[in-house]
Amino acid sequence: KAGVTQTPRYLIKTRGQQVTLSCSPISGHRSVSWYQQTPGQGLQFLFEYFSETQRNKGNFPGRFSGRQFSNSRSEMNVSTLELGDSALYLCASRLGPPNTGELFFGEGSRLTVL
Amino acid sequence: QKEVEQDPGPLSVPEGAIVSLNCTYSNSAFQYFMWYRQYSRKGPELLMYTYSSGNKEDGRFTAQVDKSSKYISLFIRDSQPSDSATYLCAMSIPNTPLVFGKGTRLSVIA
Repeated sequence: KAGVTQTPRYLIKTRGQQVTLSCSPISGHRSVSWYQQTPGQGLQFLFEYFSETQRNKGNFPGRFSGRQFSNSRSEMNVSTLELGDSALYLCASRLGPPNTGELFFGEGSRLTVL
Repeated sequence: QKEVEQDPGPLSVPEGAIVSLNCTYSNSAFQYFMWYRQYSRKGPELLMYTYSSGNKEDGRFTAQVDKSSKYISLFIRDSQPSDSATYLCAMSIPNTPLVFGKGTRLSVIA
C-alpha cells in the first residue's frame, strides 16, 4: 500500500514568488493535514481538510492557503514568499474525520527561499 | 511559554544504554499523548500512543504519562544504532489538532 506522496521533494524559490505543493494521501484516507517544520519552531499545524472543506486552521498568515480535491488529493500554496518560509512542509493523512485516528506523514517538501 | 516543551538535545548514548526522553506541557486539557520517530529526510511515524496516566509498554519502548506533573516520557531499553532519529512528543485535546514538541535528536553509537 503506497504511503503519503508529496511533490516536489525539494525546491528553491526567491522572495516574492509563490509556490504550490502537492500531496496524495494514502488510498482511502479522507483527511489531509499540512504542517510546517523548522529547527526553531518545530512542527506547526497549518490546516486540515476533510471532504474538500477546511476543518481546522493554524496560526499562519493568509499567504498560506490550501485546498482538497474530490479524490482527497490536496495542495497548499504560499504566496509572496519570505525568507522565513524556508522549511520542510509535511503532509499527513488519516482515514477518518479530522482529529481522529493515526496520522500518517509523507516525507515532506523542502522549500528554500533565497 | 510554549504549550509543549522538549529538550532538543542532541543526546548521544552508547549501544545498549537505556534512553529517557521527556516532554513537559502546560495545558491540563491535553488528553492524548503520542511519541513520533523521525529519521533523517523522512516524515514522522507514530511510535507510541496513550491517553491515560501510567505506563504503556511496546517491546523495547515504554511511554509514561504523569498528568499531575504534566510530564511525559519515552524510555528505550537496549538502544540500538537503528534507534538514532529525532523523537517528537505530541499531544492533543479531543477534536483539536496535534501539538508537537520540537523534538530530541538521539544518536546511538555502536
